[in-house]
Amino acid sequence: LAKTTQPISMDSYEGQEVNITCSHNNIATNDYITWYQQFPSQGPRFIIQGYKTKVTNEVASLFIPADRKSSTLSLPRVSLSDTAVYYCLVGDADTGRRALTFGSGTRLQVQP
Amino acid sequence: EAGVAQSPRYKIIEKRQSVAFWCNPISGHATLYWYQQILGQGPKLLIQFQNNGVVDDSQLPKDRFSAERLKGVDSTLKIQPAKLEDSAVYLCASSFGLKRENGYTFGSGTRLTVV
Repeated sequence: LAKTTQPISMDSYEGQEVNITCSHNNIATNDYITWYQQFPSQGPRFIIQGYKTKVTNEVASLFIPADRKSSTLSLPRVSLSDTAVYYCLVGDADTGRRALTFGSGTRLQVQP
Repeated sequence: EAGVAQSPRYKIIEKRQSVAFWCNPISGHATLYWYQQILGQGPKLLIQFQNNGVVDDSQLPKDRFSAERLKGVDSTLKIQPAKLEDSAVYLCASSFGLKRENGYTFGSGTRLTVV
């Protein structure tokens, strides 16, 4: 399984762009990169998933360099409600294969 | 669409007692997962079902934990007997189809306290 490394915590202010980088040096050819967000007392929520280059949705952007050994989750103009734990996961996109493994995540604190 | 339903929301039991958690995944989701999340840590996979078959239960403490998914829909996770270190949030998740384009959908979890 590809192991991921991400910062334990980050601080930001409202309105700023936040970039959380995740390292996954031994990512496999079939692996996708997925990011989840978790608020207290809730289950993780899917944010975005990508394989290479850049993916953007209404919530975030995911940047993946050509070697795929790292990825960056970009949250534009964060608000207080973006305070949460963010998890970077790497794994096969086939649901019949091994489930995704969560690390300890990055605790993002957004201040006014 | 309705989300992943879990019950109960909270449970407090004494050590050595037994407890069961229930999960109803999103309709049509073939794959179901149970995760254990200890306070301050990321979720840890306990068991993965594909329809009513087990895909991975390598991290399930089988001497005390059991899980089943009858008819490939609802699932129950049981602990018997419980230990203090089982205190955690038990999360159920489901996913649709063969590819995780939209990732997993998690329920809100059951918070278990063993005293």
